[in-house]
Amino acid sequence: SQQGEEDPQALSIQEGENATMNCSYKTSINNLQWYRQNSGRGLVHLILIRSNEREKHSGRLRVTLDTSKKSSSLLITASRAADTASYFCATVRSNDYKLSFGAGTTVTVRA
Amino acid sequence: KAGVTQTPRYLIKTRGQQVTLSCSPISGHRSVSWYQQTPGQGLQFLFEYFSETQRNKGNFPGRFSGRQFSNSRSEMNVSTLELGDSALYLCASSFSGLAGTDTQYFGPGTRLTVL
Repeated sequence: SQQGEEDPQALSIQEGENATMNCSYKTSINNLQWYRQNSGRGLVHLILIRSNEREKHSGRLRVTLDTSKKSSSLLITASRAADTASYFCATVRSNDYKLSFGAGTTVTVRA
Repeated sequence: KAGVTQTPRYLIKTRGQQVTLSCSPISGHRSVSWYQQTPGQGLQFLFEYFSETQRNKGNFPGRFSGRQFSNSRSEMNVSTLELGDSALYLCASSFSGLAGTDTQYFGPGTRLTVL
């Protein structure tokens, strides 16, 4: 079963715009991770945020975590065509340390 | 460093057959995890191996099995294939610890089609 659920399912934006996607989960977590996948290929790890952290940055990516609301968001600033991909959040529960992926958000960046 | 490699990249089998997929982790990585990705069920955790021992397991039937060798290379086996086993099988490696606590590096996957 999937612990995380992303919203929206799909997103289409113009190059240069920001893209925001959200992830909600159900149980307490050890950490939450975001991954990118291009066209059914392997996943690329983007950011890991631990349950005691509230915000992390990596280049044009900003991730927030609100454990009281059991939600996280991923912001991609100044999007580029190369950002076109599916983005997944994955939660790691405190009791079993398995990655549980959401269904993903498909992002299309138009030139 | 070379990335995670998976072989074969594509595979076509028929129902009832069995299949073995291989994964070579990044040099120095001791943890290998396997995932199944399908359009219907999404990405699901299969199992994780560390130092030749299965450390964690997902909710898959016993037809799915795996092992890890002393050089950290891993194989997964699916016996008595069913149509629903058609999927992209992804392998990921990490340096230490439990897979969920460390950055995982994914391979390109093996696309299995069961006819």
